[in-house]
Amino acid sequence: DAGITQSPRYKITETGRQVTLMCHQTWSHSYMFWYRQDLGHGLRLIYYSAAADITDKGEVPDGYVVSRSKTENFPLTLESATRSQTSVYFCASSNTGDADTQYFGPGTRLTVL
Amino acid sequence: KQEVTQIPAALSVPEGENLVLNCSFTDSAIYNLQWFRQDPGKGLTSLLLIQSSQREQTSGRLNASLDKSSGRSTLYIAASQPGDSATYLCAVSGNTPLVFGKGTRLSVIA
Repeated sequence: DAGITQSPRYKITETGRQVTLMCHQTWSHSYMFWYRQDLGHGLRLIYYSAAADITDKGEVPDGYVVSRSKTENFPLTLESATRSQTSVYFCASSNTGDADTQYFGPGTRLTVL
Repeated sequence: KQEVTQIPAALSVPEGENLVLNCSFTDSAIYNLQWFRQDPGKGLTSLLLIQSSQREQTSGRLNASLDKSSGRSTLYIAASQPGDSATYLCAVSGNTPLVFGKGTRLSVIA
């Protein structure tokens, strides 16, 4: 299917465990983004990538790791999950970065116990 | 640091009413401003994108305006319908990637 997909859609894990959230897009967009959405904070950028093998920090990168070996995939890893990382995570992509519309995935709801 | 504010946080209107959602930003050095819609439990859907050189954009019953010098944008929804009920977010891009407001939650009552 064309578009941007995220997996899993829901995840429950325990404090200290490693978790990887997957994001896949079929448009061959250059840019990909990871956001978290929390009540009271709105959407905040975690990391973004301008191309394969190029990543950069956003507003709240601590505790997260990203990689982008292929243009279409942009996984987000929580190396040692904490309760404060309980959130809804959205992946997005765009063709030319901020000058262009961003297209969002459906989100992953992560709960850290 | 760019800050984006949306007022009101929530709005309830009867069906058929025209309404305006407001967005303000602190740094006028922006590339563009985008309006998104988010339905409960879903991702964001882009509605309109206004480049910094533009004053407004229209799509169907939606019209977005941009006054960069005053740091303001409005989203006008004409003849509102219950299906317009959602959260509307604005976001600006500039020297940093997109910065989002916290959104306005709109309820259109039939």
